[in-house]
Amino acid sequence: EDQVTQSPEALRLQEGESSSLNCSYTVSGLRGLFWYRQDPGKGPEFLFTLYSAGEEKEKERLKATLTKKESFLHITAPKPEDSATYLCAVLFQAGTALIFGKGTTLSVSS
Amino acid sequence: IAGITQAPTSQILAAGRRMTLRCTQDMRHNAMYWYRQDLGLGLRLIHYSNTAGTTGKGEVPDGYSVSRANTDDFPLTLASAVPSQTSVYFCASSDSAASGEKLFFGSGTQLSVL
Repeated sequence: EDQVTQSPEALRLQEGESSSLNCSYTVSGLRGLFWYRQDPGKGPEFLFTLYSAGEEKEKERLKATLTKKESFLHITAPKPEDSATYLCAVLFQAGTALIFGKGTTLSVSS
Repeated sequence: IAGITQAPTSQILAAGRRMTLRCTQDMRHNAMYWYRQDLGLGLRLIHYSNTAGTTGKGEVPDGYSVSRANTDDFPLTLASAVPSQTSVYFCASSDSAASGEKLFFGSGTQLSVL
């Protein structure tokens, strides 16, 4: 059973069309939830860390939010350069390393 | 430029051969990790090291070994490669004391085992 589930698997948007990506987790004792961006042929690049329900972080057109069961990555007025795979990862109280979801591949067309 | 260097960038390997993937970081991070990334399965932890001299097993450690003789280097060895080890391998590091579990990743090694 997956501990971290991301949806949708793929998302196609028109430039300027805002949307949200979802990351839900099933275990308790969250120490932190992380969002990464991965471009083709490259390693993941850190975007945000969220530690507690209600917390929000923003960076340019991206805003990450956290509840007790899930996190959303909101993309406002996306541009083609926002096209990438977005990975969610969680660190649990008893964990030794991040557990990653399978990612959402975002394509933004002009 | 500070960061993580992985080598080789890509490799084609015959089944049964031994292979070491190299990973070096110059950020003086205490923790290092090896992940493999497969289509449909995402990133999965192979082995990790919290400090030099210590290592631990992740989710998929079978067929792999690691060592951490110093802070900067964390090589991953496949003793006898099998086709199921075809994957993209990422090395990562973190400085828990300074930035929590924020990971910095290398650019990856594309490994094909035939």
